[in-house]
Amino acid sequence: EAGVAQSPRYKIIEKRQSVAFWCNPISGHATLYWYQQILGQGPKLLIQFQNNGVVDDSQLPKDRFSAERLKGVDSTLKIQPAKLEDSAVYLCASSLAGGKDTQYFGPGTRLTVL
Amino acid sequence: KQEVTQIPAALSVPEGENLVLNCSFTDSAIYNLQWFRQDPGKGLTSLLLIQSSQREQTSGRLNASLDKSSGRSTLYIAASQPGDSATYLCAVRLGATNKLIFGTGTLLAVQP
Repeated sequence: EAGVAQSPRYKIIEKRQSVAFWCNPISGHATLYWYQQILGQGPKLLIQFQNNGVVDDSQLPKDRFSAERLKGVDSTLKIQPAKLEDSAVYLCASSLAGGKDTQYFGPGTRLTVL
Repeated sequence: KQEVTQIPAALSVPEGENLVLNCSFTDSAIYNLQWFRQDPGKGLTSLLLIQSSQREQTSGRLNASLDKSSGRSTLYIAASQPGDSATYLCAVRLGATNKLIFGTGTLLAVQP
């Protein structure tokens, strides 16, 4: 069974530029999560989708971050414009449903903002 | 607000030693607690999951305990090996939303 796929794996941009990350969850998984992991910290949930609806986006900086999950499968996370403090690893995870289902994580995208 | 703390932040041990990693959380109203392993450039791998009604879980050389009333969990690694070198994260799950709150992690280095 294929795992959670993410691309790109690495991205370097200058501040005020925009960037987008892509995630393809495990086939059949209804719930998709985006986490931000700053160096030296644990992952922090940015947004959670159930199919193509948002369940929790309370920690998403909505003035610059946006995410969508059209058709309830793939998802993209966008940052526009990027700030230095956005440098982090962005992890995507998926689970079969919500509730107590195990979350499976992708390899992450490492973003460096110069 | 739930906060999760892990001590120590980093640990270096010689191969073969037994070791304990600590995790504490401020709100005991958790659904379950999970320990993950993170290798550089890779995603998180789930190691052990303890339901709130359980006291411990074991998998091979790993044993995780949970004391919900005191807000603590420990991950015990027996006979450590260089391949155990990684960052270990604990996370608590909050109720029905499946939201995970992660600790800051412990970076483990096992010296051959």
